[in-house]
Amino acid sequence: GAGVSQSPRYKVAKRGQDVALRCDPISGHVSLFWYQQALGQGPEFLTYFQNEAQLDKSGLPSDRFFAERPEGSVSTLKIQRTQQEDSAVYLCASSLAGYGAYEQYFGPGTRLTVT
Amino acid sequence: GESVGLHLPTLSVQEGDNSIINCAYSNSASDYFIWYKQESGKGPQFIIDIRSNMDKRQGQRVTVLLNKTVKHLSLQIAATQPGDSAVYFCAERPDSSYKLIFGSGTRLLVRP
Repeated sequence: GAGVSQSPRYKVAKRGQDVALRCDPISGHVSLFWYQQALGQGPEFLTYFQNEAQLDKSGLPSDRFFAERPEGSVSTLKIQRTQQEDSAVYLCASSLAGYGAYEQYFGPGTRLTVT
Repeated sequence: GESVGLHLPTLSVQEGDNSIINCAYSNSASDYFIWYKQESGKGPQFIIDIRSNMDKRQGQRVTVLLNKTVKHLSLQIAATQPGDSAVYFCAERPDSSYKLIFGSGTRLLVRP
């Protein structure tokens, strides 16, 4: 079946621009996660949704980062006034359920380059 | 696609040999551990997992060992193949949490 998909795969933004990154989780998956992966590093947790509820946004690095999942399926990560330090790969993952169902399936990521 | 792990520690093995990748985790309260494989331009791919009440789990060609005393996790790959070349990450899940905390990764290179 279809896995997690993300779009765009690559995004180049000028410093100060706003960007929106999309994630389509596996159909029926309740949990959705966003991670940020800097070059040469492991993914770092940004935020977590259970259905449409954002239960944890403790990993968002600043108030320029905003995520939503209004209908409990597709999610969008928005970054306002992008800065060079925002350059990274943004990974989305989904899981069948919340706590108790552990395996997270990852999408291919969106590589954001801020110039 | 983008390159993952340009500055990661590298393990180079001969095709057909066994590989052992090690990971030290940080949280003694973590109750679940996963190994992921990440190829360039792709997201992490699940390999094998283990819960904290176990010390060993085997899959197809892979074995994960957990030593809670020293907070150490290892991934053993039998008869390593060229397709195993990738960056490998361990991840832990702190107890009563849902987020994963990833280690810094190891690049595995398989020589033909």
